[in-house]
Amino acid sequence: DAKTTQPNSMESNEEEPVHLPCNHSTISGTDYIHWYRQLPSQGPEYVIHGLTSNVNNRMASLAIAEDRKSSTLILHRATLRDAAVYYCILRSSHIYNQGGKLIFGQGTELSVKP
Amino acid sequence: DGGITQSPKYLFRKEGQNVTLSCEQNLNHDAMYWYRQDPGQGLRLIYYSQIVNDFQKGDIAEGYSVSREKKESFPLTVTSAQKNPTAFYLCASTVDRGGNQPQHFGDGTRLSIL
Repeated sequence: DAKTTQPNSMESNEEEPVHLPCNHSTISGTDYIHWYRQLPSQGPEYVIHGLTSNVNNRMASLAIAEDRKSSTLILHRATLRDAAVYYCILRSSHIYNQGGKLIFGQGTELSVKP
Repeated sequence: DGGITQSPKYLFRKEGQNVTLSCEQNLNHDAMYWYRQDPGQGLRLIYYSQIVNDFQKGDIAEGYSVSREKKESFPLTVTSAQKNPTAFYLCASTVDRGGNQPQHFGDGTRLSIL
C-alpha cells in the first residue's frame, strides 16, 4: 500500500492561510488523494479529494504536484475551529483493493492561535 | 439529516465477554467499513462490506466479527479472542467502492476494559 508522510504538527495564526504538505512518493496512477480532519473524540470529517488536477471547495483547496508525488491542502483563512489533526490519505480506485479502504498515516496536528 | 449513527458512545468490556458495537446509516450507501484507532495513531481497517450479505477481512480482523444482513446496518462484535480491545472504533460508509467518493464517518465508540 502506498504511504503518505506529513509533518507531525504545524501552527497557524487565525485568519491567515495555512499550507499543509503531504508526500506520497509511491502513489500509483489509480490512487486518489483524500484529506480528512479529526477533532478529539470525533470521527474524521471529509475535507477534499482529487486525482490529478487542483481542486477547490467551500472548505479548502487541494494543490497536487505535476508528478503526483506530493500535495498541499490549503486553508485560505484559518479559524479556531480549524484546529484538528489533518490526514492526507490515498484511496485506491480499485474496488478489489480492500473495498477502497482509506490508508491513514499519523496526520498533522494543526493548532491555530488567536 | 442523513448520516451514520454509532452506539453506544462508551462501552466497557469484562474479561471473557463479547460486546457488539452498532453502526447504522441512512445514506443508502452500499459499502461500509469498521476502523480501529489507538491513541495518537491513524485508523486501521478491521472489516469492510461492499454489499449486503457479504463482508471481507481488513488488516486487523483477528478477534472481531461482523454481519451485514441489512444495507443500513453493519454491527461489529469484539470477541474475547481480541486481547487488546481498548481503542476508539469508527464506522464509515461510502456510495462508491472505488476511490472517487469520500467516506462518511460516525462519531465513534470508545471501548475500554473493566
